[in-house]
Amino acid sequence: QKEVEQNSGPLSVPEGAIASLNCTYSDRGSQSFFWYRQYSGKSPELIMSIYSNGDKEDGRFTAQLNKASQYVSLLIRDSQPSDSATYLCAALMGGKLIFGQGTELSVKP
Amino acid sequence: GAGVSQSPSNKVTEKGKDVELRCDPISGHTALYWYRQSLGQGLEFLIYFQGNSAPDKSGLPSDRFSAERTGGSVSTLTIQRTQQEDSAVYLCASSPQRGLNEQFFGPGTRLTVL
Repeated sequence: QKEVEQNSGPLSVPEGAIASLNCTYSDRGSQSFFWYRQYSGKSPELIMSIYSNGDKEDGRFTAQLNKASQYVSLLIRDSQPSDSATYLCAALMGGKLIFGQGTELSVKP
Repeated sequence: GAGVSQSPSNKVTEKGKDVELRCDPISGHTALYWYRQSLGQGLEFLIYFQGNSAPDKSGLPSDRFSAERTGGSVSTLTIQRTQQEDSAVYLCASSPQRGLNEQFFGPGTRLTVL
């Protein structure tokens, strides 16, 4: 089992819809989780961090954490074509950030 | 500068040559990380430095890879006797402190080994 797992996608949503990106992690002791956005040919950009169970909202983005289920998600409301990118989930394990393989999101106009 | 910088942005080398990749972290950041990303793949952890502590080298794929961080700032990743499978984008990230571990990435160095 991979330490951080994501569906590779691609996930395609129409403009204006809600995009839902999911991630599971293996280390029950992990306390810190991050979502990065990576445009093609660019480096990852931090968009959300979450440390506590529940929801954390920042603009159109909402991160959700359920430690009992070892599950992290990212919701993007009112999706825009500019949101088309690969979204990387990361969990802090043993002092290191472990990344999932990323989910490719495509927002169609 | 305001962000993490890396040099060179691109490096083409011949198999068997040594290469050095450089990373300048954000000023004041105590933690520095190196990752490798192969085409279409996720990020593979290589090594990280935290302040004056001994680095965590657990992700280095072979003894051909080494890294140092001088004066708690600039870091150099060295790959000796490069192989074609070393071709990837090498990303550096820095973090203001270990606890929160929000990492900020540089633009990367694209290494191509012919």
